[in-house]
Amino acid sequence: AQKITQTQPGMFVQEKEAVTLDCTYDTSDPSYGLFWYKQPSSGEMIFLIYQGSYDQQNATEGRYSLNFQKARKSANLVISASQLGDSAMYFCAMREGRSNFGNEKLTFGTGTRLTIIP
Amino acid sequence: EAGVAQSPRYKIIEKRQSVAFWCNPISGHATLYWYQQILGQGPKLLIQFQNNGVVDDSQLPKDRFSAERLKGVDSTLKIQPAKLEDSAVYLCASSLRPGERWAGANVLTFGAGSRLTVL
Repeated sequence: AQKITQTQPGMFVQEKEAVTLDCTYDTSDPSYGLFWYKQPSSGEMIFLIYQGSYDQQNATEGRYSLNFQKARKSANLVISASQLGDSAMYFCAMREGRSNFGNEKLTFGTGTRLTIIP
Repeated sequence: EAGVAQSPRYKIIEKRQSVAFWCNPISGHATLYWYQQILGQGPKLLIQFQNNGVVDDSQLPKDRFSAERLKGVDSTLKIQPAKLEDSAVYLCASSLRPGERWAGANVLTFGAGSRLTVL
């Protein structure tokens, strides 16, 4: 079974609108972490946001927020007020187990290509 | 603070030839990762180092891939001999040093990658 599933291969969104990128995960470990990375055409993976499995509140970072629904095993990324520069591939990733020094092995989903339309 | 440096950015070789990629992580980052990203897929972990020791190389095709991290700083990933299916982007990442955590996680910082095309 896929550990990380991103069901939207591509999305087109009008500039200034909000967008939600879906991510579901599968793990039996009670301790895990969920990450979102952005990959523009330049190729570099850019960290956006993180949610730990024991975190009570949804993570937020600027225009990014993570809609964490633990029972449904989903960790959707919400981008508010989208900008042209948000056009990129977006990857959801998971770390299984506690975050210890040297243990940040991530399993990535297949990504969603987001295109912002002016 | 300088980012993760990788070279070369692009490499084209014929099958059965060899190739090497170099990575210089962020200064002081003890943990270094090599990921393989095939077109249309998410990155897949090949090998993880902590200082100059291997933590996990379970997904490294050891018959053709090798990696080393001398002195716990720079790392080299080698492929010999290359196959067509090795065409991919090879991403190097390092994680924040202990004590610097973003909301409970060590965040991986990636380089721009080395794109390999095997003909």
